[in-house]
Amino acid sequence: AQSVTQLDSQVPVFEEAPVELRCNYSSSVSVYLFWYVQYPNQGLQLLLKYLSGSTLVKGINGFEAEFNKSQTSFHLRKPSVHISDTAEYFCAVYQAGTALIFGKGTTLSVSS
Amino acid sequence: SAVISQKPSRDICQRGTSLTIQCQVDSQVTMMFWYRQQPGQSLTLIATANQGSEATYESGFVIDKFPISRPNLTFSTLTVSNMSPEDSSIYLCSVEDGVRTQYFGPGTRLLVL
Repeated sequence: AQSVTQLDSQVPVFEEAPVELRCNYSSSVSVYLFWYVQYPNQGLQLLLKYLSGSTLVKGINGFEAEFNKSQTSFHLRKPSVHISDTAEYFCAVYQAGTALIFGKGTTLSVSS
Repeated sequence: SAVISQKPSRDICQRGTSLTIQCQVDSQVTMMFWYRQQPGQSLTLIATANQGSEATYESGFVIDKFPISRPNLTFSTLTVSNMSPEDSSIYLCSVEDGVRTQYFGPGTRLLVL
């Protein structure tokens, strides 16, 4: 069965520092990959997605992610974070014939 | 992307009662989904709701506890029946855009006392 592992439950960083949130998935077959963000007391917002094509995907709010098939990873990056990026980030994987599977989430805390 | 609204946004309920959550989409969609997010946890799919057919429930979720309606292509309801404190969660609906991408509503925050 497909699974998603977010390697860090909490990531504290200072404002304007770079950040990487790590995500690994289990399947070696074709998958679609997503990152969602959940701000406090809000629903999930799609940050970016990989369906096919270029392995470097750019999303909203300056985030990007790189699909690495050989390492089955889809890490999320931002070169310079802001206080407003403080939120919960979820990696999710969709494989044909299955449901969308979410990781446990990574709490990004940005401080000044 | 579709604009999704949910009602109520939050509620506090007594154990043993039921709550119906509404999900409205601003465009017609084939597939709608209901998720539960327990406190501090990730999302778990409850069921898939397709118009014109019975909802498909995931393992661990049953229709008697979480009945779902899907009367048309823009609306769905989820009822949480005979609630207990363990049902305290955020309930989210989502829709798929036809290219395997799901968009989520703002969620309904439920506290059961």
